[in-house]
Amino acid sequence: GESVGLHLPTLSVQEGDNSIINCAYSNSASDYFIWYKQESGKGPQFIIDIRSNMDKRQGQRVTVLLNKTVKHLSLQIAATQPGDSAVYFCAERSNAGGTSYGKLTFGQGTILTVHP
Amino acid sequence: DGGITQSPKYLFRKEGQNVTLSCEQNLNHDAMYWYRQDPGQGLRLIYYSQIVNDFQKGDIAEGYSVSREKKESFPLTVTSAQKNPTAFYLCASMEGATYNSPLHFGNGTRLTVT
Repeated sequence: GESVGLHLPTLSVQEGDNSIINCAYSNSASDYFIWYKQESGKGPQFIIDIRSNMDKRQGQRVTVLLNKTVKHLSLQIAATQPGDSAVYFCAERSNAGGTSYGKLTFGQGTILTVHP
Repeated sequence: DGGITQSPKYLFRKEGQNVTLSCEQNLNHDAMYWYRQDPGQGLRLIYYSQIVNDFQKGDIAEGYSVSREKKESFPLTVTSAQKNPTAFYLCASMEGATYNSPLHFGNGTRLTVT
């Protein structure tokens, strides 16, 4: 089941470093995954997605890796900038029978802080 | 610019009152969603609608109601039956024809009930 808590995982990095944010998912039937960035007081912003028939996808400064064997997803941000500071959520979607159409299940989130 | 507009940004109500949160989208998306976000937690699905005049309960629908009379609008009513209504509410939409597409979110309404 989904873990619930008041204390999010945190990651602090220096500007220019690479960041890796991890996410474990529990539903082996999930076949589509998304990473979102959420800044304070705003809605989640789409970063990158990946389908289960892939294990890696790259965007601008971001890479998502998917390991279906261990049900693990990661987001790599290259040359992290102060503007990358935010909460990052992974989300999964299952196309299994009976699943709510389009429903995403969200992880708890990770706080990324980038120091100048 | 296309997008999702949620209003108001902040909303304050007294306990026992119903309140309606607005969500409008001009993306021509078929599906719309309401999520609730509490501190330190992921988003939880309240209601969703795949097409006009149809909607389904999500994981935490108790104490909430919705309507979908127009494609571009999906208002959420938080009723007095909702035991812990104070939260950040997020509306989202998705292009209905494509299963593997992301949700697009509005910037949320922060509801405080005292």
